[in-house]
Amino acid sequence: AQKITQTQPGMFVQEKEAVTLDCTYDTSDQSYGLFWYKQPSSGEMIFLIYQGSYDEQNATEGRYSLNFQKARKSANLVISASQLGDSAMYFCAMRPQFGNEKLTFGTGTRLTIIP
Amino acid sequence: NAGVTQTPKFRILKIGQSMTLQCTQDMNHNYMYWYRQDPGMGLKLIYYSVGAGITDKGEVPNGYNVSRSTTEDFPLRLELAAPSQTSVYFCASSPTRDRVREKLFFGSGTQLSVL
Repeated sequence: AQKITQTQPGMFVQEKEAVTLDCTYDTSDQSYGLFWYKQPSSGEMIFLIYQGSYDEQNATEGRYSLNFQKARKSANLVISASQLGDSAMYFCAMRPQFGNEKLTFGTGTRLTIIP
Repeated sequence: NAGVTQTPKFRILKIGQSMTLQCTQDMNHNYMYWYRQDPGMGLKLIYYSVGAGITDKGEVPNGYNVSRSTTEDFPLRLELAAPSQTSVYFCASSPTRDRVREKLFFGSGTQLSVL
């Protein structure tokens, strides 16, 4: 079974600063995918970034990057130059390559950007 | 392109009532999912389907039923609603080209209150 842990229930960050959202995971699978989703106050789930367990490079998507440390089983999301529109809930999730189709989510981190 | 469409957006039920949450996707995705999100929590998988005629239980299936008669539709049925089913329900879909990498496309959610 997979488990995702997000230890930061809430974070406050000054606008234009970089922020790191923590995510650790537990799995016995060798091949898996890691995802980050953003949920603004409007409620929709927005895909941000993906990292495969065998990808050699850390994933980047614009201002988002994923600091993947496989040995530590961590997949932290880094947002550079934060903006007011980044205020939202952020969820880390993972899916194994084999066995089942389940995408397991963490409990989320509420990020608030301060002007 | 509509993507994943959920109806209704809001609903209030009395204890013991039944209802069906509708979900339709127009992306020809084989995989579809129902998640629930309780306040301050991550998403938990209720049921999922890997294709028409095939469904399986997720983490929290009790009190729910699903069917998948077509690729497009994946309705979620609540029988004998209970206050514990007060939650936000998300339908999602994903393609199957590369199972582990494919992100989920989410509907906008249904806010359900059982009083």
